[in-house]
Amino acid sequence: GNSVTQMEGPVTLSEEAFLTINCTYTATGYPSLFWYVQYPGEGLQLLLKATKADDKGSNKGFEATYRKETTSFHLEKGSVQVSDSAVYFCALYTGTASKLTFGTGTRLQVTL
Amino acid sequence: DTEVTQTPKHLVMGMTNKKSLKCEQHMGHRAMYWYKQKAKKPPELMFVYSYEKLSINESVPSRFSPECPNSSLLNLHLHALQPEDSALYLCASSQSPFYEQYFGPGTRLTVT
Repeated sequence: GNSVTQMEGPVTLSEEAFLTINCTYTATGYPSLFWYVQYPGEGLQLLLKATKADDKGSNKGFEATYRKETTSFHLEKGSVQVSDSAVYFCALYTGTASKLTFGTGTRLQVTL
Repeated sequence: DTEVTQTPKHLVMGMTNKKSLKCEQHMGHRAMYWYKQKAKKPPELMFVYSYEKLSINESVPSRFSPECPNSSLLNLHLHALQPEDSALYLCASSQSPFYEQYFGPGTRLTVT
């Protein structure tokens, strides 16, 4: 079956630090990969996506590259802000499973 | 506009009450979803409607009853809930089943 593994949180960084949140996956078929962000008290927002190997998704300074050889989709940002504090979910979809599979989420806390 | 709206924002109900959650989108999306999210956990899929027909029911107890009156609206009728049903209920929509999903802000449900 499909699964997504994310690094344990919380991740605590100072403002302007470099961010990496690791995400690896196991999937049958050729998954599409997503990062969602959930700010406190809110729903999930689609942050970025990639639908095939070597695709790079990017949005709001965040980037992630679909690496088929390492089955990874790590989220990166060069300089985080306090406003980036949130929970980040890695997710995948394959047609065979017919549902989104989420990772457990990684809480990011950015301090001044 | 990538907005999914949900009402109410908060709901407190007793175990004998009947209430409904409402979700609306005007993006022309033909797939809509209900998720349940417990604290510090990823969302769990409950139901999927595709072209206004129920296509997936993730073995959800019958005290939760979904309804899709038209392509823009999705309701979740609640009856005889248990305290463990207290959670954030999220609605989402996508252009077609399991294409990138857009989430609403959620309804925070407390069952007393």
